[in-house]
Amino acid sequence: GAGVSQSPRYKVAKRGQDVALRCDPISGHVSLFWYQQALGQGPEFLTYFQNEAQLDKSGLPSDRFFAERPEGSVSTLKIQRTQQEDSAVYLCASSTRQGSGELFFGEGSRLTVL
Amino acid sequence: KQEVTQIPAALSVPEGENLVLNCSFTDSAIYNLQWFRQDPGKGLTSLLLIQSSQREQTSGRLNASLDKSSGRSTLYIAASQPGDSATYLCAGRGIGGSQGNLIFGKGTKLSVKP
Repeated sequence: GAGVSQSPRYKVAKRGQDVALRCDPISGHVSLFWYQQALGQGPEFLTYFQNEAQLDKSGLPSDRFFAERPEGSVSTLKIQRTQQEDSAVYLCASSTRQGSGELFFGEGSRLTVL
Repeated sequence: KQEVTQIPAALSVPEGENLVLNCSFTDSAIYNLQWFRQDPGKGLTSLLLIQSSQREQTSGRLNASLDKSSGRSTLYIAASQPGDSATYLCAGRGIGGSQGNLIFGKGTKLSVKP
């Protein structure tokens, strides 16, 4: 596609439910990033993939958060046993190459945990 | 650890004014610095990318500068328009640690009054 596509755009979950957020990067982009943005804050880094390899997951806040990109294209961010503090917008970005490449962001998935 | 600060947090100007948004970062070892625009409820739109070897980039009414030695970047908007109203975020991509990790400031919320 022309840009980074994320789904669902909005997700409401009851506390304790598992959720899965999908990201379709720009075709041919080898690098993929997940960020979490709380209301009124800048995005915070979660994890980074180079093709199918997860090179950095230092930003994942707990072991309830898991990300994968099995074929080096589409990525899924999974949150298990959601809690209210997980409520945020989850942004996905892709880039043509590591290091100096420009990042392009999707519209984000807004998660609300009740 | 890289920290990015944006001043002011909010800015309101009358239409037609020239304005400057400031961004400072603590670690001069960066690959690049990127300026984004974020409209309410939307993802991030890339405005300008400055590589570490560059001093400035221009796109239309926007000009961004980078001074690594002082750890500062500025975004200059000429002849502001109501359509420029949005939150502007700067982010540095570090050399230390993960090459994928963009560190964001909290943004400057700009309001241009007609």
